[in-house]
Amino acid sequence: AQTVTQSQPEMSVQEAETVTLSCTYDTSESDYYLFWYKQPPSRQMILVIRQEAYKQQNATENRFSVNFQKAAKSFSLKISDSQLGDAAMYFCAYRQPQGGSEKLVFGKGTKLTVNP
Amino acid sequence: GAGVSQTPSNKVTEKGKYVELRCDPISGHTALYWYRQSLGQGPEFLIYFQGTGAADDSGLPNDRFFAVRPEGSVSTLKIQRTERGDSAVYLCASSTGVRSPLHFGNGTRLTVT
Repeated sequence: AQTVTQSQPEMSVQEAETVTLSCTYDTSESDYYLFWYKQPPSRQMILVIRQEAYKQQNATENRFSVNFQKAAKSFSLKISDSQLGDAAMYFCAYRQPQGGSEKLVFGKGTKLTVNP
Repeated sequence: GAGVSQTPSNKVTEKGKYVELRCDPISGHTALYWYRQSLGQGPEFLIYFQGTGAADDSGLPNDRFFAVRPEGSVSTLKIQRTERGDSAVYLCASSTGVRSPLHFGNGTRLTVT
């Protein structure tokens, strides 16, 4: 079964600085998707960024970018120019687009604190 | 447009009682997912619907848990004989298909006393 590991339970960053959240995963498949979701206290899971495994280019969404290392099965999230509103739980997730389920498998999350 | 709607937002029930949690997906989304998120954990998959049928229910923890989606839109997660260990946030998500992102609701926080 696929697993997702987030080794940093908590991280903190100063406002306007850069922070990187780590994620590793385990799979024997070659076609899959990886995601970072943000969960503020409202509980809603908000999609931050996604990466298709077949694309070598790292995904970027404004201040958010990923470092996707397929051979190492690593998928880290970099947040640049951190803002107070970035404070939340961040979850890394894996999804396999075939096999009958297409379910997301989540890591345990990293709590990000942004200090003013 | 409207997002995924879950009701109630919070539910407190006594051990042994029956509860129903409702999910209204985004209109036109054929895929619907239920997840359970315990305190301090990531969401764990419960069940996936494609249309009216449960395509994957491998995450349901035992036969006290059941979910339906009779018309391929609204879904109800049903929990019989609730236990204190069932206390968690239950998240619902929907999408248009396999390679489309999941859109989540705000969840229902279930507390079993």
